[in-house]
Amino acid sequence: EVQLVESGGGLVQPGRSLKLSCAASGFTFSNYYMAWVRQAPKKGLEWVATISTSGSRTYYPDSVKGRFTISRDNAKSSLYLQMNSLKSEDTATYYCARHSALRILRTPMDAWGQGASVTVSS
Amino acid sequence: DVQMTQSLSYLAASPGESVSISCKASKSISNYLAWYQQKPGEAYKLLIYSGSTLQSGTPSRFSGSGSGTDFTLTIRSLEPEDFGLYYCQQYYEKPFTFGSGTKLEIK
Repeated sequence: EVQLVESGGGLVQPGRSLKLSCAASGFTFSNYYMAWVRQAPKKGLEWVATISTSGSRTYYPDSVKGRFTISRDNAKSSLYLQMNSLKSEDTATYYCARHSALRILRTPMDAWGQGASVTVSS
Repeated sequence: DVQMTQSLSYLAASPGESVSISCKASKSISNYLAWYQQKPGEAYKLLIYSGSTLQSGTPSRFSGSGSGTDFTLTIRSLEPEDFGLYYCQQYYEKPFTFGSGTKLEIK
């Protein structure tokens, strides 16, 4: 069974940093592009980052580019999101997700974690 | 960026009824369109991809249609477990974008 379990969420002050982790199991992690998607309170979903299978290519929307860094450790089947210079508008539940097809970027996300809550507030 | 518009934010229906949820893209996305379902306490679930292909495990009462800019998710003969939130998403180009969601509730 495919499982994605996020951790590392919490309350953080504006301007500070936080790192989320996602532990993957039930599939060959190194074969899939992985992503982070967030959902602010009472809002819709927003794609935050995607990383290639090897980690050599990363993709971000403008809203987080330069502040967030996605990374992975294939040996540990783990995905990470380093979030710097956090703003109140980054408050959201952050989901770890798997792109659905082997080694392909333009695919939907066929497995999601339960999410980690991040609150940015003083 | 490609804007995805789900015009209905809320829809109420009774078990046994059929419903359709629409999703419109601000430019052509071919068939790079997915539908997701979220139920309270559960992880997001991919229902349909490529506009009309059912993900493994998705009941056959679900169907997707459309191409280009206009897409529709149809649920025939609603079951109690179908009530929840539904989102469309384009993965044609980055940034990948989602619709604002449609909440399907029991009438």
